[in-house]
Amino acid sequence: EDQVTQSPEALRLQEGESSSLNCSYTVSGLRGLFWYRQDPGKGPEFLFTLYSAGEEKEKERLKATLTKKESFLHITAPKPEDSATYLCAVQAARVESSRGSTLGRLYFGRGTQLTVWP
Amino acid sequence: NAGVTQTPKFQVLKTGQSMTLQCAQDMNHNSMYWYRQDPGMGLRLIYYSASEGTTDKGEVPNGYNVSRLNKREFSLRLESAAPSQTSVYFCASTHGTGYGYTFGSGTRLTVV
Repeated sequence: EDQVTQSPEALRLQEGESSSLNCSYTVSGLRGLFWYRQDPGKGPEFLFTLYSAGEEKEKERLKATLTKKESFLHITAPKPEDSATYLCAVQAARVESSRGSTLGRLYFGRGTQLTVWP
Repeated sequence: NAGVTQTPKFQVLKTGQSMTLQCAQDMNHNSMYWYRQDPGMGLRLIYYSASEGTTDKGEVPNGYNVSRLNKREFSLRLESAAPSQTSVYFCASTHGTGYGYTFGSGTRLTVV
């Protein structure tokens, strides 16, 4: 069974205090790892896709990295507006089973709730 | 550019009532998905449609049905609502494998 685990569940940072969020995964053939941001009362907003180990992507104060077992979302000098829940999701190679095909399906972690205070 | 539009945004149902959640996307995406999000449980896939004319069960399909009406629209129906279906429901769409999902803003459903 594919699994995605995010840690920590919650993180409080002072403005300017850099840190990292972790997403560990076990899938049969990774097709892509996705990071999303979700603000209260809204749908998840796409941030990054990573496809292979060693790949990195950046957007403003966020940098996502990928290894064969986990991904990190590094937040450099965060601001209060970075406060949100960050979701990680993985997409596996096609797996056919009695429950149907998994091609294209994303498996989400439970998220890390980030609070940045001034 | 509307993206993914969900209606209604809020709904209160009595146990046993039925309703349909509507979802439409204007990005010409092939695949569409319905998720529910509960505290501490994360996003769980209910049903999905890989392409127009096809639908498949996800992780938690019991108590739901779906219709891919055309390439733009994908509806979720609760035939007989139960309190366990109280949740936030998200519709999402994507071009296909390897692309990120675009999510709607959600429908907050309470079953009393």
